[in-house]
Amino acid sequence: GNSVTQMEGPVTLSEEAFLTINCTYTATGYPSLFWYVQYPGEGLQLLLKATKADDKGSNKGFEATYRKETTSFHLEKGSVQVSDSAVYFCALSPSTDSWGKLQFGAGTQVVVTP
Amino acid sequence: AAGVIQSPRHLIKEKRETATLKCYPISRHDTVYWYQQGPGQDPQFLISFYEKMQSDKGSIPDRFSAQQFSDYHSELNMSSLELGDSALYFCASRRLGGGLDEQFFGPGTRLTVL
Repeated sequence: GNSVTQMEGPVTLSEEAFLTINCTYTATGYPSLFWYVQYPGEGLQLLLKATKADDKGSNKGFEATYRKETTSFHLEKGSVQVSDSAVYFCALSPSTDSWGKLQFGAGTQVVVTP
Repeated sequence: AAGVIQSPRHLIKEKRETATLKCYPISRHDTVYWYQQGPGQDPQFLISFYEKMQSDKGSIPDRFSAQQFSDYHSELNMSSLELGDSALYFCASRRLGGGLDEQFFGPGTRLTVL
């Protein structure tokens, strides 16, 4: 079946540090891949997405590249801020699924300290 | 533009009681998804509707039922509540017919079963 594996958190960083959150997936075909962010007490917000191999999604300084050969979609940001403290979820929507439900990873909590 | 609206935002129930959660999708979105996020867990897909018909079903207990109405809003009905039903319930909407693959999430309803 389909699955998403994320690195475990919490990830604790100092402001302006480089952030990487690893995400790998298992799926048949070419799923769409997403990163969602959840701030404390809030819902899920789409951060970025990629729908085919070698696509790069980017938003708010975050980037992730769809790597079919390594089945990965790692999230990166060059210089984090305290406001980036949140839980980040990697997710996929299988290409074989017409209805588009999302399969999420376990989430990675990121804590950025001043 | 208005986002996905969920009501109530918080709900406290006793064991064996019933609960109804409501979701109002973004205007012109034809697909609604329900997800359950337990404490410290990733969101799990429950059920989805497209054009008022159930389109997909995930790990939704038989005690739960849902429907989508003519105005596209959806309701999740939960009966014989158990302690383990305590979770954050998200609704997401999407315009499937338009070919967009992004789901927009509501803020969630936090259900506490005592």
